[in-house]
Amino acid sequence: GAGVSQSPRYKVAKRGQDVALRCDPISGHVSLFWYQQALGQGPEFLTYFQNEAQLDKSGLPSDRFFAERPEGSVSTLKIQRTQQEDSAVYLCASSFEGRSTEAFFGQGTRLTVV
Amino acid sequence: ELKVEQNPLFLSMQEGKNYTIYCNYSTTSDRLYWYRQDPGKSLESLFVLLSNGAVKQEGRLMASLDTKARLSTLHITAAVHDLSATYFCAVHNNNDMRFGAGTRLTVKP
Repeated sequence: GAGVSQSPRYKVAKRGQDVALRCDPISGHVSLFWYQQALGQGPEFLTYFQNEAQLDKSGLPSDRFFAERPEGSVSTLKIQRTQQEDSAVYLCASSFEGRSTEAFFGQGTRLTVV
Repeated sequence: ELKVEQNPLFLSMQEGKNYTIYCNYSTTSDRLYWYRQDPGKSLESLFVLLSNGAVKQEGRLMASLDTKARLSTLHITAAVHDLSATYFCAVHNNNDMRFGAGTRLTVKP
């Protein structure tokens, strides 16, 4: 597809369950970002990849959060032992390298932990 | 650490009026974005601003960047109801991109 694709769109998890969220960036885009957006808030940075290298994971809130991008394209954000405070929309964005390029966002995955 | 502050956080306007949203940031930046988000939707890119003095306009929206003051503005001219949404600025610096808290704009007839 032409845009950033995320799946699933909606996920309901029981507390303590592990979840995996997928992001397919725009083909050829080098940079990939994950954000967490709580209800009524702005997106909060989680982690950044340049190709397959995770260059910044300073925003991951705990060691229950793990992200990977093994082949430099598709990325997976995994949350282990989900908690209610993990409920949010998880947004993925990608951009082609270079100053003049913009970041394009996917539709997001709305995670609800019950 | 890169910090981004937006104000106001909430803005209620009458149709036909003008207003400005402000975005301040704490460190140098190599580009600044403005996004629009409708309820339940993802972020739609409005503008990318790259250099000091950059000004971009699209319809009733105009964005500007002052890198010396570390300030960007989004000016709304003659607002219409369709502009009701939340507007975010995002500042990119090296490998980091941080968002403001957003301005929730409501345009009333």
